[in-house]
Amino acid sequence: TQLLEQSPQFLSIQEGENLTVYCNSSSVFSSLQWYRQEPGEGPVLLVTVVTGGEVKKLKRLTFQFGDARKDSSLHITAAQPGDTGLYLCAVGFQKLVFGTGTRLLVSP
Amino acid sequence: GAVVSQHPSWVICKSGTSVKIECRSLDFQATTMFWYRQFPKQSLMLMATSNEGSKATYEQGVEKDKFLINHASLTLSTLTVTSAHPEDSSFYICSARPLGGSEQYFGPGTRLTVT
Repeated sequence: TQLLEQSPQFLSIQEGENLTVYCNSSSVFSSLQWYRQEPGEGPVLLVTVVTGGEVKKLKRLTFQFGDARKDSSLHITAAQPGDTGLYLCAVGFQKLVFGTGTRLLVSP
Repeated sequence: GAVVSQHPSWVICKSGTSVKIECRSLDFQATTMFWYRQFPKQSLMLMATSNEGSKATYEQGVEKDKFLINHASLTLSTLTVTSAHPEDSSFYICSARPLGGSEQYFGPGTRLTVT
């Protein structure tokens, strides 16, 4: 059983569309991170959320931590081809545990 | 700042041989480095935690005699895949945490193909 389940697993959309990616767990976390990984590269940290209900924005990306700190969502507005990649949520401090991942493909 | 490099970026080896992968923190010191493995279309799975000056801590199911980790200095950790087999083919990624820091910085990964 995966600690962090992400949905959808794969998403293929057209440029300009909006999308939401979910990261769910039955456990409570003190913080949660979102990463983006491009093919052939390591993950890059996008954001860390720490407070239940917290919303953080990074340009067209909006991240929310669930009130109970068990889940999180990533919403992308007006997706662009440059947003293509593998989006991963992760928890932990000393050791990171990654979610199952959502592969996003944005076509021009 | 906070750049982590890996060498080589890709390697092809024959079954039964050993391969060494280096992970370096270029502009910071790291007492702790981590090694992950990622199979195609899958997420990252932590293999081991590498501590400078001491033995690595391996995750459950990871063979320590097969995946040898040496953290020789505050800027270098190496992963040696011994007696490699085709099922060891994967993308190996390291990360490093700066001294006193909380964030992990990831290397660009090494793609290993065992034929």
